[in-house]
Amino acid sequence: GEDVEQSLFLSVREGDSSVINCTYTDSSSTYLYWYKQEPGAGLQLLTYIFSNMDMKQDQRLTVLLNKKDKHLSLRIADTQTGDSAIYFCAETSNSNSEYALNFGKGTSLLVTP
Amino acid sequence: DTAVSQTPKYLVTQMGNDKSIKCEQNLGHDTMYWYKQDSKKFLKIMFSYNNKELIINETVPNRFSPKSPDKAHLNLHINSLELGDSAVYFCASSQWNADTQYFGPGTRLTVL
Repeated sequence: GEDVEQSLFLSVREGDSSVINCTYTDSSSTYLYWYKQEPGAGLQLLTYIFSNMDMKQDQRLTVLLNKKDKHLSLRIADTQTGDSAIYFCAETSNSNSEYALNFGKGTSLLVTP
Repeated sequence: DTAVSQTPKYLVTQMGNDKSIKCEQNLGHDTMYWYKQDSKKFLKIMFSYNNKELIINETVPNRFSPKSPDKAHLNLHINSLELGDSAVYFCASSQWNADTQYFGPGTRLTVL
């Protein structure tokens, strides 16, 4: 199947900005998502972007999409210790199984005081 | 009100046993999914049902059999459990062709 790649770890200091990057290979991706998973918890949808957009902002979160390079990023401004979690990039497209989410392996974000 | 609920939250069982995980959604969605998250946190689609019809069946062993008695429920029955089935299983739901899937809290299955 198509690949979604993310770096596995990111460590930032409280108050700094975090940028989590994701690349994908499916050129027919329609939606791209960021999910957050706290330890022992389920998946929380943070934000998503339609493939014909290049930016979306939602409070402290900014999503940037470079469709040409198939690169998605999530910027978290003023990162807090409560933002420590695993962040999953995911995509859906018509070429994968009928709108099932295709996930990256997740980026573990550690926020230190 | 819980939108997507799963029972049980934890399930510990012996190899060779048969077990079921239940999922219910009260969002009025017509599509439901099962995802598996392995020990390395990798998430992968297993099944999808739309209006009680099987839409997606990824390369999952025949020991896994989903059942959708109605649009609000999608249960997962697993026969002859193996050690490799240990994982967290997430149920999700959406409207068909919608942009958002809503996830349940997950069921942590441990096979001893």
